[in-house]
Amino acid sequence: LAKTTQPISMDSYEGQEVNITCSHNNIATNDYITWYQQFPSQGPRFIIQGYKTKVTNEVASLFIPADRKSSTLSLPRVSLSDTAVYYCLAPRAGNNRKLIWGLGTSLGVNP
Amino acid sequence: NAGVTQTPKFQVLKTGQSMTLQCAQDMNHNSMYWYRQDPGMGLRLIYYSASEGTTDKGEVPNGYNVSRLNKREFSLRLESAAPSQTSVYFCASSERRGGNQPQHFGDGTRLSIL
Repeated sequence: LAKTTQPISMDSYEGQEVNITCSHNNIATNDYITWYQQFPSQGPRFIIQGYKTKVTNEVASLFIPADRKSSTLSLPRVSLSDTAVYYCLAPRAGNNRKLIWGLGTSLGVNP
Repeated sequence: NAGVTQTPKFQVLKTGQSMTLQCAQDMNHNSMYWYRQDPGMGLRLIYYSASEGTTDKGEVPNGYNVSRLNKREFSLRLESAAPSQTSVYFCASSERRGGNQPQHFGDGTRLSIL
């Protein structure tokens, strides 16, 4: 059952830019890539969503190449409060277009 | 504007007991979902309700039942709890059903079954 692939964990320092890449080889043609953030003891929180090229909001940027087989979440100048698990979701191609939640990327931000 | 509210936040049950987890959303969303989250696994969909009056099975429905009481409320029931159902349960809602619809999550119910 195809799902997205992301690094299990990443470490960074305060003030750095963090880029988390996700691969989704079997994304449905007309569907979007969506990223969520989850803090301990909380539910996931929607961060950003895009179809192609670049999307930016007050929290992050999302870069999607033309073939849409991968996407990169960019967090500018991270702080300690950005320590969380980040999930990439992309509906799978086919009649089902099912969303599969992977394990996400656990981001640690150090002072 | 509370978003998605889940009750209770914590619960301990004995094997064989029954329990209903409550979920309510105040965003006028049509679709609602129940997930469970276990260590070493991603979120898994138990049941969902695409719109008021409909419910459908997700990936792991066995041992659970749901009720979409009205547009706001979607409850999850464990009829005879088993230790394998120890987990964190999340309720979510979205404007409509579909992979492109951002989901809004509650803060979870931590359930332990002894």
